[in-house]
This record gives sequence, C-alpha cells and structure tokens, in this order.
Amino acid sequence: GQQVMQIPQYQHVQEGEDFTTYCNSSTTLSNIQWYKQRPGGHPVFLIQLVKSGEVKKQKRLTFQFGEAKKNSSLHITATQNTDVGTYFCAGLRSGATNKLIFGTGTLLAVQP
Amino acid sequence: DTGVSQDPRHKITKRGQNVTFRCDPISEHNRLYWYRQTLGQGPEFLTYFQNEAQLEKSRLLSDRFSAERPKGSFSTLEIQRTEQGDSAMYLCASSLFSGNTIYFGEGSWLTVV
Repeated sequence: GQQVMQIPQYQHVQEGEDFTTYCNSSTTLSNIQWYKQRPGGHPVFLIQLVKSGEVKKQKRLTFQFGEAKKNSSLHITATQNTDVGTYFCAGLRSGATNKLIFGTGTLLAVQP
Repeated sequence: DTGVSQDPRHKITKRGQNVTFRCDPISEHNRLYWYRQTLGQGPEFLTYFQNEAQLEKSRLLSDRFSAERPKGSFSTLEIQRTEQGDSAMYLCASSLFSGNTIYFGEGSWLTVV
C-alpha cells in the first residue's frame, strides 16, 4: 500500500536556527498537505500543495512539492519556541481522493 | 465554535467494555473521516463517509469497530469488547469535498485498562 515517510524523526535546534523536514511517498500524489500538532493537541492544517514543483511561503515557513509529485519539504527559517511540535505531511494518492495518508512525522524541539 | 467537535474528550474503560465516541463535523461539510493516532505515530485512516454513506473502511477497522453517520451530520464510532491495543486517540475530521482540506477535531483519548 501507499507509504509516506518523513525524515528526520526528531530534530533538536537552538532558537534562531533553521529546520527542514522531508517527506517521501512511495506513490505519486495528487496533492500534499502539511499539518502541525502541538504536544497533547490535534493536527492543525498548515497548507496544501497541488502543482508539480510548487513552492509556497507562510512567513518563516517554506513548503515545496517535488517535480515528480512524490516528495515534499517544509523549511522553517529562524526557529522560535512557538514552532515546537510535530510536523506531518499527508498525501492524497493520485486517482484515489478519498483519504489522506499521513507521514511518520518530525518532532521539532527548540532550545532557547 | 464552529469547528469539528468530539465527545467525550477522554475515556477510561475496562477491557471488554464497549465505548462510543461522537463527532460533530463542521456544518455543511459532507465528508467525515475517522482516524486513529497512537503516541509517536501519525494519524491512521479508519473510515470515511460522504453524507450518510460509509464509502471506505481500512483493514485496521476490525469487526469490533463500527461507525455510523445516520443523517449525514454527526457520526459515532463504537468499539465493542475493547482491548488494550485499542488505547489511542480517535480523531474525527471533516471536509467540504474530495481533495479539499480536512479539519480535525481535538480528538477523543481512549485508555483501556
């Protein structure tokens, strides 16, 4: 079945450093979505990417969708304490639009 | 608050008991999803409804699990004869249409003792 892997599983950075998480799907995706989950919380939608090679920015966050629509990345510039949490990518498999398959997640810890 | 709401937020039950969770999606969202999440893992798809029709079920959804959405609005997820392995957070989500953003509720934590 479809699998979505993320690396790294865990990242510990100093406040102000940059952070990147990578997402790879075993199948081509029709779109990819990113979610953030704070400790003890629920996944909160961040962004959706649809087009091959698409790049979107939200303040310090930059999201990319690969040309082959099988991978994606999230880059955070100058991390802050408020960025702490687990970042999940979630993909919709091409031709099957019924369910999101979530990645394994990357837990970000930010040290002041 | 007009987001997805779930009830109860926390449930502790003894092994072998039945539990039921309720989800109220964002109004006018015709798609409703149930996911399960265990510690350190991403949400795993369980099932999804379009209006009142249950259109897809994961193999994770054993015979002890049943979900309904009788009037196409709220949904219930029942787990019969709970086992310790059922301990997890059960997340409900809704979306307006296929491929659209899905919005999660705060989840219902189940602990089976």
